[in-house]
Amino acid sequence: GAVVSQHPSWVICKSGTSVKIECRSLDFQATTMFWYRQFPKQSLMLMATSNEGSKATYEQGVEKDKFLINHASLTLSTLTVTSAHPEDSSFYICSAKTDRTSNSPLHFGNGTRLTVT
Amino acid sequence: AQSVTQLGSHVSVSEGALVLLRCNYSSSVPPYLFWYVQYPNQGLQLLLKYTSAATLVKGINGFEAEFKKSETSFHLTKPSAHMSDAAEYFCAVSESPADRGSTLGRLYFGRGTQLTVWP
Repeated sequence: GAVVSQHPSWVICKSGTSVKIECRSLDFQATTMFWYRQFPKQSLMLMATSNEGSKATYEQGVEKDKFLINHASLTLSTLTVTSAHPEDSSFYICSAKTDRTSNSPLHFGNGTRLTVT
Repeated sequence: AQSVTQLGSHVSVSEGALVLLRCNYSSSVPPYLFWYVQYPNQGLQLLLKYTSAATLVKGINGFEAEFKKSETSFHLTKPSAHMSDAAEYFCAVSESPADRGSTLGRLYFGRGTQLTVWP
């Protein structure tokens, strides 16, 4: 149980275009989803917390106008990288919790490798 | 504030040898601690978690970790390494309910330890 599906697994886009990444909880409802970014050989950096039906909470230093997050339903959150540039190339991973308690683990999607040319 | 330090960005062991991946945490309140494994180009998979119950936690794939409050450590071990254990391992700490104003579910990750297993 607790499967998180992320799509696409990889995407290549041209500089200046926008890319949408989807994160779905397949067998549970996720009121909260988290978007992480991972640079090569580095740890995960939390970008934002996506809350169903309300605005996302962004971490300090993350541009909310560049990384648009929409959490329109209890099973779907999307991250849109707008006007992508080569420096946005990275591995983006979403995660979700089955409940709101701190001791429940995060369930991760398989990530999206974004390459901006 | 919580933080996690993983000592050693790379660990190499022979197949069948003991695996020890180190993790120390910093937290002003009793923490919840997790170990995750990441295979190339994939998301993270939970290995085990400590949530203030038994201090010795057993996880999947033969891994276990021991919470030692006096040492603020949560090291991950496996008695006998297998080739399939080669991956990146992340230690993480979660905000506990004792934190005021916390966003439940936020995890703070260590920088990761790459485990290599030699045949």
